[in-house]
Amino acid sequence: DAGVTQSPTHLIKTRGQHVTLRCSPISGHKSVSWYQQVLGQGPQFIFQYYEKEERGRGNFPDRFSARQFPNYSSELNVNALLLGDSALYLCASSASGGGTEAFFGQGTRLTVV
Amino acid sequence: AQSVTQPDIHITVSEGASLELRCNYSYGATPYLFWYVQSPGQGLQLLLKYFSGDTLVQGIKGFEAEFKRSQSSFNLRKPSVHWSDAAEYFCAVVRSGTYKYIFGTGTRLKVLA
Repeated sequence: DAGVTQSPTHLIKTRGQHVTLRCSPISGHKSVSWYQQVLGQGPQFIFQYYEKEERGRGNFPDRFSARQFPNYSSELNVNALLLGDSALYLCASSASGGGTEAFFGQGTRLTVV
Repeated sequence: AQSVTQPDIHITVSEGASLELRCNYSYGATPYLFWYVQSPGQGLQLLLKYFSGDTLVQGIKGFEAEFKRSQSSFNLRKPSVHWSDAAEYFCAVVRSGTYKYIFGTGTRLKVLA
Protein backbone atom coordinates (compact mmCIF):
# COMPACT_ATOMS: atom_id res chain seq x y z
CA ASP A 1 0.00 0.00 0.00
CA ALA A 2 1.15 3.49 -0.77
CA GLY A 3 1.95 5.76 2.12
CA VAL A 4 0.97 9.37 2.47
CA THR A 5 1.62 11.20 -0.79
CA GLN A 6 2.28 14.91 -0.99
CA SER A 7 2.74 17.11 -4.02
CA PRO A 8 4.69 18.96 -5.11
CA THR A 9 7.88 18.03 -3.27
CA HIS A 10 9.45 21.44 -3.72
CA LEU A 11 8.30 24.81 -4.97
CA ILE A 12 9.41 28.39 -4.99
CA LYS A 13 6.95 31.26 -4.79
CA THR A 14 7.20 35.03 -4.66
CA ARG A 15 5.90 37.11 -1.77
CA GLY A 16 2.23 37.92 -2.18
CA GLN A 17 1.47 34.88 -4.31
CA HIS A 18 -0.87 32.04 -3.48
CA VAL A 19 0.07 28.36 -3.13
CA THR A 20 -1.85 25.08 -3.02
CA LEU A 21 -0.34 21.97 -1.50
CA ARG A 22 -1.88 18.55 -1.92
CA CYS A 23 -2.02 15.41 0.16
CA SER A 24 -3.37 11.92 -0.41
CA PRO A 25 -3.78 9.88 2.78
CA ILE A 26 -3.19 6.19 3.24
CA SER A 27 -6.00 4.16 1.74
CA GLY A 28 -8.76 3.73 4.32
CA HIS A 29 -7.64 6.67 6.45
CA LYS A 30 -10.26 9.34 6.93
CA SER A 31 -8.26 11.96 8.81
CA VAL A 32 -5.71 14.37 7.40
CA SER A 33 -3.72 16.89 9.39
CA TRP A 34 -1.35 19.59 8.23
CA TYR A 35 1.78 20.75 10.00
CA GLN A 36 4.30 23.49 9.32
CA GLN A 37 7.93 22.80 10.15
CA VAL A 38 10.23 25.79 10.07
CA LEU A 39 13.92 25.01 9.83
CA GLY A 40 15.30 24.00 13.20
CA GLN A 41 11.92 23.57 14.86
CA GLY A 42 9.44 20.82 15.48
CA PRO A 43 6.28 20.62 13.39
CA GLN A 44 3.46 22.99 14.34
CA PHE A 45 -0.19 21.97 13.95
CA ILE A 46 -2.15 23.90 11.32
CA PHE A 47 -5.37 21.96 10.61
CA GLN A 48 -7.06 18.64 11.04
CA TYR A 49 -9.86 17.31 8.86
CA TYR A 50 -11.89 14.22 9.59
CA GLU A 51 -14.65 12.95 7.35
CA LYS A 52 -14.39 16.18 5.34
CA GLU A 53 -15.05 18.40 8.34
CA GLU A 54 -12.55 20.68 10.02
CA ARG A 55 -11.91 19.36 13.51
CA GLY A 56 -9.28 21.79 14.60
CA ARG A 57 -7.14 24.73 13.67
CA GLY A 58 -3.81 25.80 15.10
CA ASN A 59 -2.60 29.30 15.74
CA PHE A 60 -2.21 30.36 12.12
CA PRO A 61 -3.62 33.41 10.33
CA ASP A 62 -6.66 33.28 8.07
CA ARG A 63 -4.33 33.29 5.07
CA PHE A 64 -4.10 29.56 5.71
CA SER A 65 -7.07 27.43 4.70
CA ALA A 66 -7.67 23.81 3.85
CA ARG A 67 -10.30 21.39 2.72
CA GLN A 68 -10.83 17.67 2.43
CA PHE A 69 -12.44 16.02 -0.54
CA PRO A 70 -14.87 13.04 -0.70
CA ASN A 71 -11.94 10.72 -1.43
CA TYR A 72 -10.28 12.05 1.77
CA SER A 73 -7.46 13.79 -0.05
CA SER A 74 -6.76 17.30 1.12
CA GLU A 75 -5.47 20.66 -0.01
CA LEU A 76 -3.73 23.33 2.03
CA ASN A 77 -3.97 26.83 0.62
CA VAL A 78 -1.89 29.79 1.66
CA ASN A 79 -2.67 33.27 0.37
CA ALA A 80 -0.54 36.42 0.32
CA LEU A 81 2.66 34.52 0.97
CA LEU A 82 5.21 35.98 3.34
CA LEU A 83 8.89 35.17 3.62
CA GLY A 84 8.12 33.60 6.98
CA ASP A 85 5.89 31.01 5.33
CA SER A 86 9.00 29.29 3.99
CA ALA A 87 8.94 25.88 5.62
CA LEU A 88 8.42 22.17 5.18
CA TYR A 89 4.70 21.45 5.11
CA LEU A 90 3.84 17.99 6.35
CA CYS A 91 0.64 16.09 5.87
CA ALA A 92 -0.31 13.38 8.34
CA SER A 93 -2.82 10.63 7.78
CA SER A 94 -4.60 8.67 10.49
CA ALA A 95 -7.38 6.14 10.57
CA SER A 96 -9.62 8.11 12.88
CA GLY A 97 -9.86 11.57 14.25
CA GLY A 98 -8.64 11.17 17.76
CA GLY A 99 -5.33 10.35 19.25
CA THR A 100 -4.25 7.49 17.05
CA GLU A 101 -0.89 7.29 15.46
CA ALA A 102 -0.28 9.54 12.51
CA PHE A 103 1.68 8.64 9.43
CA PHE A 104 3.52 11.49 7.79
CA GLY A 105 4.27 12.20 4.19
CA GLN A 106 7.63 13.37 2.91
CA GLY A 107 6.49 16.95 2.94
CA THR A 108 6.45 19.88 0.56
CA ARG A 109 9.36 22.27 0.85
CA LEU A 110 8.03 25.78 0.19
CA THR A 111 10.46 28.61 -0.36
CA VAL A 112 9.11 32.15 -0.55
CA VAL A 113 11.42 34.72 -2.13
CA ALA B 1 -1.03 24.20 28.24
CA GLN B 2 0.48 21.04 26.94
CA SER B 3 4.16 21.17 26.06
CA VAL B 4 7.05 18.92 25.19
CA THR B 5 10.65 19.61 26.11
CA GLN B 6 13.64 18.01 24.54
CA PRO B 7 16.52 19.47 26.57
CA ASP B 8 19.31 18.38 24.24
CA ILE B 9 19.47 20.21 20.92
CA HIS B 10 22.51 18.30 19.71
CA ILE B 11 24.00 14.99 20.83
CA THR B 12 27.14 13.36 19.48
CA VAL B 13 27.97 9.73 20.15
CA SER B 14 30.45 7.25 18.77
CA GLU B 15 29.23 4.36 16.69
CA GLY B 16 28.54 1.40 18.95
CA ALA B 17 27.95 3.55 22.01
CA SER B 18 24.65 3.65 23.85
CA LEU B 19 22.19 6.48 23.38
CA GLU B 20 19.54 8.17 25.46
CA LEU B 21 17.45 11.09 24.20
CA ARG B 22 15.42 12.92 26.77
CA CYS B 23 11.80 14.00 26.51
CA ASN B 24 9.67 15.64 29.17
CA TYR B 25 6.06 16.60 28.75
CA SER B 26 3.67 18.83 30.58
CA TYR B 27 0.13 17.55 30.69
CA GLY B 28 -2.62 16.97 33.24
CA ALA B 29 -3.21 13.33 32.41
CA THR B 30 -1.37 10.55 30.63
CA PRO B 31 -1.17 11.47 27.00
CA TYR B 32 -0.30 9.30 24.07
CA LEU B 33 3.44 9.55 23.49
CA PHE B 34 5.46 9.12 20.34
CA TRP B 35 8.99 9.27 19.03
CA TYR B 36 9.59 10.15 15.39
CA VAL B 37 12.81 10.29 13.39
CA GLN B 38 13.48 12.65 10.51
CA SER B 39 16.36 12.38 8.05
CA PRO B 40 17.44 15.56 6.26
CA GLY B 41 14.79 16.80 3.87
CA GLN B 42 12.48 13.93 4.70
CA GLY B 43 9.20 13.45 6.48
CA LEU B 44 8.72 11.89 9.89
CA GLN B 45 8.98 8.18 10.52
CA LEU B 46 7.35 6.69 13.59
CA LEU B 47 9.84 4.87 15.82
CA LEU B 48 7.53 3.86 18.64
CA LYS B 49 4.45 4.84 20.59
CA TYR B 50 2.99 4.53 24.07
CA PHE B 51 -0.73 4.47 24.68
CA SER B 52 -1.05 2.46 27.89
CA GLY B 53 0.13 -0.71 29.62
CA ASP B 54 3.77 -1.76 29.82
CA THR B 55 5.82 1.35 30.37
CA LEU B 56 8.78 0.02 28.36
CA VAL B 57 7.95 0.02 24.68
CA GLN B 58 9.94 -1.41 21.83
CA GLY B 59 10.15 0.23 18.46
CA ILE B 60 11.77 -0.20 15.11
CA LYS B 61 15.50 -0.08 14.41
CA GLY B 62 16.35 -1.36 17.89
CA PHE B 63 14.97 1.64 19.75
CA GLU B 64 13.04 1.51 23.00
CA ALA B 65 11.49 4.10 25.28
CA GLU B 66 10.37 4.12 28.87
CA PHE B 67 7.39 6.05 30.16
CA LYS B 68 7.86 7.37 33.69
CA ARG B 69 4.73 9.00 34.99
CA SER B 70 6.37 10.35 38.14
CA GLN B 71 8.94 12.21 36.06
CA SER B 72 6.65 13.08 33.13
CA SER B 73 9.32 11.63 30.89
CA PHE B 74 9.47 9.40 27.85
CA ASN B 75 13.14 8.92 27.08
CA LEU B 76 14.35 7.13 23.98
CA ARG B 77 17.20 4.64 24.20
CA LYS B 78 19.31 2.44 22.00
CA PRO B 79 22.03 0.14 23.32
CA SER B 80 24.36 0.43 20.31
CA VAL B 81 24.14 3.27 17.82
CA HIS B 82 24.79 2.77 14.12
CA TRP B 83 26.06 5.46 11.76
CA SER B 84 22.70 5.31 9.94
CA ASP B 85 20.97 6.53 13.11
CA ALA B 86 22.26 10.05 12.50
CA ALA B 87 19.11 12.14 12.10
CA GLU B 88 16.79 14.41 14.03
CA TYR B 89 14.53 12.90 16.65
CA PHE B 90 11.23 14.35 17.77
CA CYS B 91 9.16 13.50 20.80
CA ALA B 92 5.43 14.19 20.49
CA VAL B 93 2.34 13.99 22.67
CA VAL B 94 -1.34 13.90 21.86
CA ARG B 95 -4.25 13.83 24.23
CA SER B 96 -6.49 10.79 24.04
CA GLY B 97 -9.46 11.48 21.78
CA THR B 98 -7.93 14.55 20.21
CA TYR B 99 -6.01 15.12 17.06
CA LYS B 100 -3.37 17.74 17.72
CA TYR B 101 0.16 16.47 18.05
CA ILE B 102 2.50 18.66 20.04
CA PHE B 103 6.13 18.21 19.11
CA GLY B 104 9.32 19.04 20.91
CA THR B 105 11.97 21.09 19.17
CA GLY B 106 13.96 18.00 18.31
CA THR B 107 17.37 16.53 19.10
CA ARG B 108 19.90 16.28 16.32
CA LEU B 109 22.02 13.15 16.63
CA LYS B 110 25.49 12.96 15.16
CA VAL B 111 27.31 9.63 15.05
CA LEU B 112 31.09 9.49 14.94
CA ALA B 113 32.72 6.62 13.07
